[in-house]
Amino acid sequence: AQSVTQLGSHVSVSEGALVLLRCNYSSSVPPYLFWYVQYPNQGLQLLLKYTSAATLVKGINGFEAEFKKSETSFHLTKPSAHMSDAAEYFCAVSGSGSARQLTFGSGTQLTVLP
Amino acid sequence: EAGVAQSPRYKIIEKRQSVAFWCNPISGHATLYWYQQILGQGPKLLIQFQNNGVVDDSQLPKDRFSAERLKGVDSTLKIQPAKLEDSAVYLCASSSTGTGMNEQFFGPGTRLTVL
Repeated sequence: AQSVTQLGSHVSVSEGALVLLRCNYSSSVPPYLFWYVQYPNQGLQLLLKYTSAATLVKGINGFEAEFKKSETSFHLTKPSAHMSDAAEYFCAVSGSGSARQLTFGSGTQLTVLP
Repeated sequence: EAGVAQSPRYKIIEKRQSVAFWCNPISGHATLYWYQQILGQGPKLLIQFQNNGVVDDSQLPKDRFSAERLKGVDSTLKIQPAKLEDSAVYLCASSSTGTGMNEQFFGPGTRLTVL
């Protein structure tokens, strides 16, 4: 069984400030971890993914995430927020074999204040 | 490369009516998924196809939902009869393989409102 918990359903930051979106996972097998972004009335777009290579993963639009096995975390960060980053962000986990199904967290709505 | 196409984008029906959604995945993608995304929640997998065979439909409410992918390309998801709680966005996604590590590409979704 696998699950994802996203702490904070809403996060607000000022433009230019650090963005930190939290994600903790539970998985019975070595996990693959993903962050997706969803803009209004659009589908989900992959930001980055961890597939057991480097623990620090760089994605699109300046986002990165660090896999910490000891903390079962995969938090998403961006050094400087931009207005265009306002969207909903989903963390997701999958595994191998019978656990390959992608399980999503409940999402974090990011608001960027001018 | 064209993305995942879905239609219609919006649908409003009354409870107990029937509705169907269509999805055309990225060309060459063997795996196709249907997700239900209720407002304020993350997407939940309804069914996964590998080519034209069902891999996982454990979370599909089979008494009212059905899905098919007859020729291993496009797919249709049907709800009959619809209930109020079926109001959601229905997302279709595809990937080149069904392994857990492969990126899934999502379509824009169909927003269903059941009155």
